[in-house]
Amino acid sequence: AQSVTQLGSHVSVSEGALVLLRCNYSSSVPPYLFWYVQYPNQGLQLLLKYTTGATLVKGINGFEAEFKKSETSFHLTKPSAHMSDAAEYFCAVRGNQGGKLIFGQGTELSVKP
Amino acid sequence: GAVVSQHPSRVICKSGTSVKIECRSLDFQATTMFWYRQFPKQSLMLMATSNEGSKATYEQGVEKDKFLINHASLTLSTLTVTSAHPEDSSFYICSASATGYEQFFGPGTRLTVL
Repeated sequence: AQSVTQLGSHVSVSEGALVLLRCNYSSSVPPYLFWYVQYPNQGLQLLLKYTTGATLVKGINGFEAEFKKSETSFHLTKPSAHMSDAAEYFCAVRGNQGGKLIFGQGTELSVKP
Repeated sequence: GAVVSQHPSRVICKSGTSVKIECRSLDFQATTMFWYRQFPKQSLMLMATSNEGSKATYEQGVEKDKFLINHASLTLSTLTVTSAHPEDSSFYICSASATGYEQFFGPGTRLTVL
């Protein structure tokens, strides 16, 4: 069975600082991994995904994530936070049944001026 | 590309009435659509998976007769909350997939039952 754990329900950074949102997964099959961002009262927007191939994945808005099989991690980073990055972030792994997504609990990112 | 819409974006209804939420894939054909429910400050909870032309598969604990799902075409799925009650108030999000490998999410529908 697949599962996702996001460490830290709330992360606060200063504008211009490094953003690091942690995600660990478990999967019985090679994982497909996703990071989504959700702004208040909106749906989810895909930031980036890992399927196969290069383990460092670049996404939109300057975000990237690295798939580390040995650590079962897929942490999301951005070198320099912007105020507009304040949102809820969800890590997800594709399940092995019918394309379901298994979501982590979410991490709320706050950006201080 | 890969745009998914939901209608309405907000709905307020009286207790005991039924509410229908539409989910449309605007520029692709979605063989599979998913319906999620999200409570404040929580993650998404999958309610059901629907494939075009077949009955929806509901997650454990989700009442089939309460949450009716119809996936009548490759671009439209509907969720009907029957005899809604205040505890059904929530944010409902749909997603659509053409390949089964990636889901594209709608903007969500805020349901408030008075």
